[in-house]
Amino acid sequence: EAGVVQSPRYKIIEKKQPVAFWCNPISGHNTLYWYLQNLGQGPELLIRYENEEAVDDSQLPKDRFSAERLKGVDSTLKIQPAELGDSAVYLCASSWERDSEQYFGPGTRLTVT
Amino acid sequence: QQPVQSPQAVILREGEDAVINCSSSKALYSVHWYRQKHGEAPVFLMILLKGGEQKGHDKISASFNEKKQQSSLYLTASQLSYSGTYFCGTDRDDKIIFGKGTRLHILP
Repeated sequence: EAGVVQSPRYKIIEKKQPVAFWCNPISGHNTLYWYLQNLGQGPELLIRYENEEAVDDSQLPKDRFSAERLKGVDSTLKIQPAELGDSAVYLCASSWERDSEQYFGPGTRLTVT
Repeated sequence: QQPVQSPQAVILREGEDAVINCSSSKALYSVHWYRQKHGEAPVFLMILLKGGEQKGHDKISASFNEKKQQSSLYLTASQLSYSGTYFCGTDRDDKIIFGKGTRLHILP
């Protein structure tokens, strides 16, 4: 069974530039999460989807971050414009349902210069 | 509110036991445990549900004390492969919040 796929794995951009991350969850998983992880910290939830619906986006900085999950499968997280403080690892995870184990992708390491 | 994990870091020799604690200031519905190796994604270990039983995974087990709002992860006869950072995630108000992690290093 294929795991959660994320791309790109690494991204270096200058501040004020836009950037997008893509996630393909495990087939059949209804719940999809985007997390941000800073060095030495635990994952912090940005947004959670149940199928196509964003059911928890309270931690998503909506002035610059946006996300979508078309057809309840793949998801894209976008930052526009990026700031220096956005440098972090962006993790995507999926699960069968909210209370079940989460499978994490390898993450995208973003560096904003 | 972020759960508090203790200790922040621990160094063991192979074969020794370890306990990692996770506590919350608020009532919990469930506790999730994950392990993350350097440069890799977090990997699921176990979920403990309110009212559920203590769970085990090979030589790794965990307990969940609802009254004390805390969970403990027990690593018995640690192996080199147990090295990594352990995160607990507490579930309340329909949201899972992860702690800062406990770094575990196993020496041969």
